[in-house]
Amino acid sequence: NAGVMQNPRHLVRRRGQEARLRCSPMKGHSHVYWYRQLPEEGLKFMVYLQKENIIDESGMPKERFSAEFPKEGPSILRIQQVVRGDSAAYFCASSPYSAKETQYFGPGTRLLVL
Amino acid sequence: GNSVTQMEGPVTLSEEAFLTINCTYTATGYPSLFWYVQYPGEGLQLLLKATKADDKGSNKGFEATYRKETTSFHLEKGSVQVSDSAVYFCALYGQAGTALIFGKGTTLSVSS
Repeated sequence: NAGVMQNPRHLVRRRGQEARLRCSPMKGHSHVYWYRQLPEEGLKFMVYLQKENIIDESGMPKERFSAEFPKEGPSILRIQQVVRGDSAAYFCASSPYSAKETQYFGPGTRLLVL
Repeated sequence: GNSVTQMEGPVTLSEEAFLTINCTYTATGYPSLFWYVQYPGEGLQLLLKATKADDKGSNKGFEATYRKETTSFHLEKGSVQVSDSAVYFCALYGQAGTALIFGKGTTLSVSS
């Protein structure tokens, strides 16, 4: 039973480029969450999605960041025109419909902006 | 708003020592409480959870009890191993929430 999958595991971008991070939830899970972990800090919530719907994006920066969870395929977190401050580890988590509070995390994508 | 406060690390122990990592929370209503562990370069693994007052979560020798009266969820282990070296995160999920709220994490280093 595969866990939450994320790719790539490491991503290097130059300032101004776009970063696309992918997340496939655990089988049977219909809820996806994205969190960001800055160096020496805990995880901060960014966005919560269900298939084809953004449920809560209160933690998402207003500009340059977007997320989707299409009917088919993985969830995508997209960062346009990256800046050095975007360098962080981005974690995806998923949960079943019946227990949204119990979230299982992927291995993360470590983004480095040069 | 809801928040989680963890003791600052690093915590350095010798193998077989007793471990306590303090965690207190602020929340309205009755949140669910969690401990996650993160090994270097990896994602977070759910260690244990408790969903109501006086519940005790336990896993792999770790325990934590949901104390409503002191708003605490301290992590304990009777005898740590070198392999327990990691960062431990306390988290809560609010009664009306949509996301986990994490503490800043406590680094544990165990030497043989």
